[in-house]
Amino acid sequence: GDSVTQTEGLVTLTEGLPVMLNCTYQTAYSTFLFWYVQHLNEAPKLLLKSSTDNKRTEHQGFHATLHKSSSSFHLQKSSAQLSDSALYYCALYNTNTGKLTFGDGTVLTVKP
Amino acid sequence: GPKVLQIPSHQIIDMGQMVTLNCDPVSNHLYFYWYKQILGQQMEFLVNFYNGKVMEKSKLFKDQFSVERPDGSYFTLKIQPTALEDSAVYFCASSLRGAQDTQYFGPGTRLLVL
Repeated sequence: GDSVTQTEGLVTLTEGLPVMLNCTYQTAYSTFLFWYVQHLNEAPKLLLKSSTDNKRTEHQGFHATLHKSSSSFHLQKSSAQLSDSALYYCALYNTNTGKLTFGDGTVLTVKP
Repeated sequence: GPKVLQIPSHQIIDMGQMVTLNCDPVSNHLYFYWYKQILGQQMEFLVNFYNGKVMEKSKLFKDQFSVERPDGSYFTLKIQPTALEDSAVYFCASSLRGAQDTQYFGPGTRLLVL
């Protein structure tokens, strides 16, 4: 079956430093990849999505590029802000089954 | 942006009772989803629903679970009977054309089974 791996469960950064959250996936079918962000006591919200190989997608200062050769969709930001502190989920949509599979999530904490 | 509402926000019930969680999806959306998130754990897919039918469900979607959307009203998740391990936050989501589209999530219903 499909799987999404987020290697870091917890990332702590100082404000202003770059952010990189890892996401790799496994699937036998065509996919869309998503990053969702969930702030404390709020619903998850879409941050980025992509289905196009090697194309950078950007939103709200974050960017990610889907690399099908390495099955990766890492999330990056050049400079972390305090308000970026949240839980980040990488998710994979399987076009064959119609199912969205989430990774375990990465808690990002940005400190002053 | 588009909003998904969930009613109630919190529910406390005794084990064995029935509970219905209600979701008011985005008005023109056609696909609906339920997810379960146990405190401190990842979000897990339960079920998706389209055109009056369950399209896909996970192993977490036990026989005690059912979903429906009668006459375009609330999209509901019913658990009957409830068990202790059903305690979690349940998120509803909807999308326009399928999960490849952006899914908009509700704020969740926090269910505590005693």
